[in-house]
Amino acid sequence: EAGVTQFPSHSVIEKGQTVTLRCDPISGHDNLYWYRRVMGKEIKFLLHFVKESKQDESGMPNNRFLAERTGGTYSTLKVQPAELEDSGVYFCASSQVARRGEQYFGPGTRLTVT
Amino acid sequence: RKEVEQDPGPFNVPEGATVAFNCTYSNSASQSFFWYRQDCRKEPKLLMSVYSSGNEDGRFTAQLNRASQYISLLIRDSKLSDSATYLCVVNSGSNYKLTFGKGTLLTVNP
Repeated sequence: EAGVTQFPSHSVIEKGQTVTLRCDPISGHDNLYWYRRVMGKEIKFLLHFVKESKQDESGMPNNRFLAERTGGTYSTLKVQPAELEDSGVYFCASSQVARRGEQYFGPGTRLTVT
Repeated sequence: RKEVEQDPGPFNVPEGATVAFNCTYSNSASQSFFWYRQDCRKEPKLLMSVYSSGNEDGRFTAQLNRASQYISLLIRDSKLSDSATYLCVVNSGSNYKLTFGKGTLLTVNP
């Protein structure tokens, strides 16, 4: 069974540019989560989808971040315009409905804003 | 106060040693508890869930003390392959968002 995949693995952009990260969850997992780890800090929750609906976006830093999950399959996270403090590793995770506490993480996208 | 606090580490131990990680959490309403493992520049992977009765998986033993809001992980007979960052993780809400500790780096030396 394929795991969670994320694209791209790395992205280097300039301040003010736009970047879109993609996550493909494990097939059949209705729950999809985005997390972020900035350097020197712990991994922090950004938001949670159940199918195509946003259940909790309390961790989104500000309105420069937009997450979508059209059709309840893959998800995108867009940062527009990017700022220096957005640099970090963005992880996506998914879980089955019945076992939501155990989440499977993708390899992450390492974003560098210069 | 951080929601999940862990031993800052790093821990350097010889092969075969026993090592213990400690973690405290601040939200008494927390419902689920986990230890995740993260190799360098890789994604976190679930190591084990932690139950109130304590649970064991081979060389790994996890304990939970809800009264003290304390979680522990014990690794016996350490292997070189155990070298990684160990993340204490708590779920506090009904939507199962995970709250992570900063992690403790373990290096097992030959």
